[in-house]
Amino acid sequence: GAVVSQHPSWVICKSGTSVKIECRSLDFQATTMFWYRQFPKQSLMLMATSNEGSKATYEQGVEKDKFLINHASLTLSTLTVTSAHPEDSSFYICSASVNEGHSPLHFGNGTRLTVT
Amino acid sequence: RKEVEQDPGPFNVPEGATVAFNCTYSNSASQSFFWYRQDCRKEPKLLMSVYSSGNEDGRFTAQLNRASQYISLLIRDSKLSDSATYLCVVKMGGGFKTIFGAGTRLFVKA
Repeated sequence: GAVVSQHPSWVICKSGTSVKIECRSLDFQATTMFWYRQFPKQSLMLMATSNEGSKATYEQGVEKDKFLINHASLTLSTLTVTSAHPEDSSFYICSASVNEGHSPLHFGNGTRLTVT
Repeated sequence: RKEVEQDPGPFNVPEGATVAFNCTYSNSASQSFFWYRQDCRKEPKLLMSVYSSGNEDGRFTAQLNRASQYISLLIRDSKLSDSATYLCVVKMGGGFKTIFGAGTRLFVKA
């Protein structure tokens, strides 16, 4: 089955630093990947849609200059949280689908970010 | 109105009980339907796709009613390990756009 790998699984950083999270599709090419954020006991919230070779599409209320997305190849998308603050502490998850049709989304294992 | 709505939950049931999750979607252009399971502090994992004719996988049965824009998931003989949040997911036609319900938390107790 389709596998999506995310790295790192968890990261602790100091306020003001930047953190990069990688999302890879291991056995398929993904022209589109999705980035979500989930706070404790809340629903998944779509942050942005990452498009290979073009700019990401951000959801309303998500700062594109703070959450930098790069989708440089068909198997890799990165999310960089710039100048992280404690309120950015959350569970970040990426996902991808094999195709636009009936294929479901497959999720990476998520990255738990803690900003101190 | 939310695009995908689920029972708010939580559901608290004893082992062996039958549990039904309901979900409605508002966009008639919705093409594909899925149920995911999410354990605490983990990523969502695909439980099963939902087909128009209805489908079953062991203790799990999913049904779709396109006319009513309604999806259901039935869990029979629930186990302690079924405790999780169940997410109703709808994928739009003609692209990758996928909408998630807020999820329904299930607690199965001994």
